[in-house]
Amino acid sequence: AQKITQTQPGMFVQEKEAVTLDCTYDTSDQSYGLFWYKQPSSGEMIFLIYQGSYDEQNATEGRYSLNFQKARKSANLVISASQLGDSAMYFCAMSFISSGSARQLTFGSGTQLTVLP
Amino acid sequence: DAGVIQSPRHEVTEMGQEVTLRCKPISGHNSLFWYRQTMMRGLELLIYFNNNVPIDDSGMPEDRFSAKMPNASFSTLKIQPSEPRDSAVYFCASSFGTNNQPQHFGDGTRLSIL
Repeated sequence: AQKITQTQPGMFVQEKEAVTLDCTYDTSDQSYGLFWYKQPSSGEMIFLIYQGSYDEQNATEGRYSLNFQKARKSANLVISASQLGDSAMYFCAMSFISSGSARQLTFGSGTQLTVLP
Repeated sequence: DAGVIQSPRHEVTEMGQEVTLRCKPISGHNSLFWYRQTMMRGLELLIYFNNNVPIDDSGMPEDRFSAKMPNASFSTLKIQPSEPRDSAVYFCASSFGTNNQPQHFGDGTRLSIL
């Protein structure tokens, strides 16, 4: 069974500093994808970044990077130069193939990030 | 480009009433997902469609819940009769293809059953 674990219910970071949000996963699939989503207090779910299981390079999108360590089954999100607007809930998710060869996502429980001025 | 569009944004209704949530996926996306989010259970997948066909509805909590996708640009999630424990935020998401493509979420419907 696929499982995503986010062990940090809450994190604080000073504005302009970098922060790492942890995510570990468990799967027996060889092909899978790892995703991070941001959910601000307004409630919408915003896709941030994606890493494929066969990608050798860590994914980057602007200030977001994904520290992918396949052997350790971890996919940590690094946010550089934190901004006040980064305060939100962050979810790690993993795709897996279910019936019909379509992919589902399983989500972690989330990490609430607060950026301090 | 238009994202996933959900309506209504908020719904407050009395227990026992029928509730219909609507979703328009991103044009060209062929997979559509309905999720429910609560404090207690987090994000739960209720059902998803691939090419308008329901693939897995094992997350649908009870027979009171039903979902349809009559065409590639529209889906509904219906609760009949509604109960207070159905109060949650319901998200619709869509994605393209069966590879590792991200799901793009709508803004959600905040449902309150009194």
